[in-house]
Amino acid sequence: ETGVTQSPTHLIKTRGQQVTLRCSSQSGHNTVSWYQQALGQGPQFIFQYYREEENGRGNFPPRFSGLQFPNYSSELNVNALELDDSALYLCASSSQKDTEAFFGQGTRLTVV
Amino acid sequence: RKEVEQDPGPFNVPEGATVAFNCTYSNSASQSFFWYRQDCRKEPKLLMSVYSSGNEDGRFTAQLNRASQYISLLIRDSKLSDSATYLCVAPGRGSTLGRLYFGRGTQLTVWP
Repeated sequence: ETGVTQSPTHLIKTRGQQVTLRCSSQSGHNTVSWYQQALGQGPQFIFQYYREEENGRGNFPPRFSGLQFPNYSSELNVNALELDDSALYLCASSSQKDTEAFFGQGTRLTVV
Repeated sequence: RKEVEQDPGPFNVPEGATVAFNCTYSNSASQSFFWYRQDCRKEPKLLMSVYSSGNEDGRFTAQLNRASQYISLLIRDSKLSDSATYLCVAPGRGSTLGRLYFGRGTQLTVWP
């Protein structure tokens, strides 16, 4: 177990709806990154939060947004869901001193 | 050009075989690389880190060729339990750890 937990584990939403995914980082880790993994592809970097501030963003539209809280847990929000948003969403936590990013088990989102 | 490129396979090998995966990266300034293992419908887990010319851990050997900008993973004496997808990973430019670029993964199946 990595100590990184994500909720929910599975989710089905309708096109156009909004979704919030949650991640609790490993104790002592102040950095959380979110990734989207489509079927048959590697994870793609969405954005990263460091000490409650966005610290870099990948090639995702503004309808993908996030938050990090004082306890370093994080949320990923996706508005106006599209069918192509169906994927495994992974959260990874790390600290500045670590050499490894620890992944949660992921949230599998299906948009119908 | 993608940050990390790797052959998706699939590689199908018998138990006991030796198999090698290669991947190329585009950022010549990257200092460290990683191989992650991902089982079906699970999160990626760190298999090996590569910081200099190479790293060996039991049956697994990772090598880095900076001149050609490629990383390899060699698995000797393959076991059935080695069946998984292997992801080649490079860190983002000038980023804190956790912002990673993944290849699409190479699928390995080891058969009895």
